[in-house]
Amino acid sequence: DIQMTQSPSTLSASVGDRVTITCRASQSISNWLAWYQQKPGKAPELLIYKASSLESGVPSRFSGGGSGTEFTLTISSLQPGDFATYYCQQYDSYPYTFGQGTKVEIK
Amino acid sequence: QVHLVQSGAEVKKPGSSVKVSCQASGGTFNSAAISWVRQAPGQGLEWMGGIIPFYGTTNYAQKFQGRVTITADDSTYTAYMELRSLRSEDTALYYCARGRRTVTGFYFFDYWGQGTLVTVSS
Repeated sequence: DIQMTQSPSTLSASVGDRVTITCRASQSISNWLAWYQQKPGKAPELLIYKASSLESGVPSRFSGGGSGTEFTLTISSLQPGDFATYYCQQYDSYPYTFGQGTKVEIK
Repeated sequence: QVHLVQSGAEVKKPGSSVKVSCQASGGTFNSAAISWVRQAPGQGLEWMGGIIPFYGTTNYAQKFQGRVTITADDSTYTAYMELRSLRSEDTALYYCARGRRTVTGFYFFDYWGQGTLVTVSS
């Protein structure tokens, strides 16, 4: 199975900050990577697919990058509604696997 | 707009089975994929398996092989996940999610159900 490792596990930031979350795959997954946002008590929501493609309706302050084994999710200017947990997911092969999550907290 | 509506919460005894449903509306069903992802309390996301209703093909994570069955009824746009031989560690929120297929045939999840809490307790 492909292992996905996110860092950091927790990130403390303020409104307006630029934040970056990293996701590493245990083997190359090309650009078959998605990012999700999950708020407490809610289902995850798709933000980014194919490493850098922004899902329709997602604000442009979210961006994704990387390929192969290292990927990033960047929020250019953190907004109050962005405090949540973020997960990466590889869909290069079965079984699909997720990172352990990065919780973005208010500083 | 696609909506996935799941069945209600369940409380089960260890050793029993649970079957959770997920009804889709507002979008394509047969050509998409439906997967089941679970989340234990305070934990991350874990893919269990999925089905492509049009082809009737299923794929399961090795961890659940033999204990889970995913089916779909394309006449009612409903997918089902049955998990057998339940144990306390299966207590979790179970989500269905629609898979948007790529050129490789694999997929990511663009719509999610609201989740179904399954509690396994004696």
